[in-house]
Amino acid sequence: GDSVTQMEGPVTLSEEAFLTINCTYTATGYPSLFWYVQYPGEGLQLLLKATKADDKGSNKGFEATYRKETTSFHLEKGSVQVSDSAVYFCAEETSGSRLTFGEGTQLTVNP
Amino acid sequence: DAGVIQSPRHEVTEMGQEVTLRCKPISGHDYLFWYRQTMMRGLELLIYFNNNVPIDDSGMPEDRFSAKMPNASFSTLKIQPSEPRDSAVYFCASSLDRGPGNTIYFGEGSWLTVV
Repeated sequence: GDSVTQMEGPVTLSEEAFLTINCTYTATGYPSLFWYVQYPGEGLQLLLKATKADDKGSNKGFEATYRKETTSFHLEKGSVQVSDSAVYFCAEETSGSRLTFGEGTQLTVNP
Repeated sequence: DAGVIQSPRHEVTEMGQEVTLRCKPISGHDYLFWYRQTMMRGLELLIYFNNNVPIDDSGMPEDRFSAKMPNASFSTLKIQPSEPRDSAVYFCASSLDRGPGNTIYFGEGSWLTVV
């Protein structure tokens, strides 16, 4: 079945460092792709999304570009903050609004 | 606007007891999802409904789990009897069907511990 693979965590960075979290998907066709973020003790929140190839999703300084040729949707941020510490989930939409999530990547940003 | 509302937020119960988790989706949303999150298995989709009708329950672990959606504003996930391995965070989520790329909105989760 369809699956999403994220780079293994945890990831620990210093404030203002550059962040990349890799994500690849397996669904055929052109599934919509998402990044969700989960802060401690909370549910998941949509961070950004892209619905077609070459689209770039962006929000709060985070970006991800839908790359059909490499089936990837890597998350990037140029300068992370302590408040970005959270778990990040990549997801693909398989059918009928149903999402398949990756394993999640724990990010810790130290001051 | 209120988001997805789940109750209880935390529950500790003894093995063998019945557990009922409740969810109120965002008003007007067509889809409702129940997910389970554990350290070992990550986020798993248990079941989802479209317009109150169960569409796919293939993720429900076994017969001890059941879910209902009697109306558009309420759903329950029941575990009977509960076992320690059911300890997890259970998330309810909902979305509006607008075609590809729908945003799914999650509740804050019900943290279940079975001892």
